[in-house]
Amino acid sequence: AQTVTQSQPEMSVQEAETVTLSCTYDTSESDYYLFWYKQPPSRQMILVIRQEAYKQQNATENRFSVNFQKAAKSFSLKISDSQLGDAAMYFCAYRSANRDDKIIFGKGTRLHILP
Amino acid sequence: GAGVSQSPSNKVTEKGKDVELRCDPISGHTALYWYRQSLGQGLEFLIYFQGNSAPDKSGLPSDRFSAERTGGSVSTLTIQRTQQEDSAVYLCASSSRGFMAEAFFGQGTRLTVV
Repeated sequence: AQTVTQSQPEMSVQEAETVTLSCTYDTSESDYYLFWYKQPPSRQMILVIRQEAYKQQNATENRFSVNFQKAAKSFSLKISDSQLGDAAMYFCAYRSANRDDKIIFGKGTRLHILP
Repeated sequence: GAGVSQSPSNKVTEKGKDVELRCDPISGHTALYWYRQSLGQGLEFLIYFQGNSAPDKSGLPSDRFSAERTGGSVSTLTIQRTQQEDSAVYLCASSSRGFMAEAFFGQGTRLTVV
């Protein structure tokens, strides 16, 4: 079974600095999709960024980018120029591309932004 | 509606009572998920519906938990004989078919068992 591991329960970063959140996953499949979701204090989960495993190019969305290392099964999220509004729980997630399967989430990393 | 709607937003119930949590997914979305989130914790998968396929119930923690999805749309999560450890936020999400499709989440129902 696939698993997603986020080894950092909490992280802090100074405003305007850069922070990287780690995520590793375990799968025997070669085709899959990876996601990062954000859950602010409002509790509303929103998609931050997604990556297709067959694409070598790392996805980027404004200040958010990923470092996708397929062989290492690693999918880290980099947040540049951190802002106070980035404070949230961040969840890494996996979904198979071969089966109509559920999305599997990691346990999350709580990110604090220090003013 | 424009997004995933969950009701009620908050529910306080007495230990031993049954509760029903409702989720209205985005119209046309074939996949529907239920997750449980304890205070400050991660997402615990409960159940997954995809179209007319048999639901994936592998995450339901006990036989006190059940869920159904009527007409491929609205879903109800039922917890029988609630216990204090059932206190959590219950999140519902839906997505369209397609593996790249992102999951859209509701605001959740905060369940408190006293």
